[in-house]
Amino acid sequence: DAGVIQSPRHEVTEMGQEVTLRCKPISGHDYLFWYRQTMMRGLELLIYFNNNVPIDDSGMPEDRFSAKMPNASFSTLKIQPSEPRDSAVYFCASSVPGGTQYFGPGTRLLVL
Amino acid sequence: AQSVTQPDIHITVSEGASLELRCNYSYGATPYLFWYVQSPGQGLQLLLKYFSGDTLVQGIKGFEAEFKRSQSSFNLRKPSVHWSDAAEYFCAVGASSNYQLIWGAGTKLIIKP
Repeated sequence: DAGVIQSPRHEVTEMGQEVTLRCKPISGHDYLFWYRQTMMRGLELLIYFNNNVPIDDSGMPEDRFSAKMPNASFSTLKIQPSEPRDSAVYFCASSVPGGTQYFGPGTRLLVL
Repeated sequence: AQSVTQPDIHITVSEGASLELRCNYSYGATPYLFWYVQSPGQGLQLLLKYFSGDTLVQGIKGFEAEFKRSQSSFNLRKPSVHWSDAAEYFCAVGASSNYQLIWGAGTKLIIKP
């Protein structure tokens, strides 16, 4: 299995631009999670999906952030407009029944 | 409130020495417990997990952890560390009723040559 795939691996953009992060979960996993990791705040859960339906988006910092999962093999996290404080590493993870989460390599976002 | 505490932000250990990383949790239900490792610039990799049964669980890379219900702890151990073990280690707790995990803040392991 290829594991969780994220793209791009690195993204540098200017403040105000739209950023789209992509994730392909492991086939057969029912749950998909988006996390953000920063030095100051550590690992934060932003949102998670079950069978393509968003279950809990209470971690999404503000309306500039949105996430979708149009099918079982693809999810996006969008930031519009981006701000420098959004600079972080964004991880996608997917889960088998029982709660073990498998993480992708992350997308390193830098907003200038 | 549900929480996971990793009391040590950094730990420095000499190569070849033994290691114990602490994890304490507060959780209302019977917990599922996890340890993950994150090498610099990498994603998180599962080291081991406890769901039920034997309270001493073995993981990858020679790590083990022991679940102690009376102490609400799930400490990670390794008898002899290698320089390649330098990384950040995260403890997490969840439940069978949902798939959301509560994460500790992480412990950064530094290996002295």
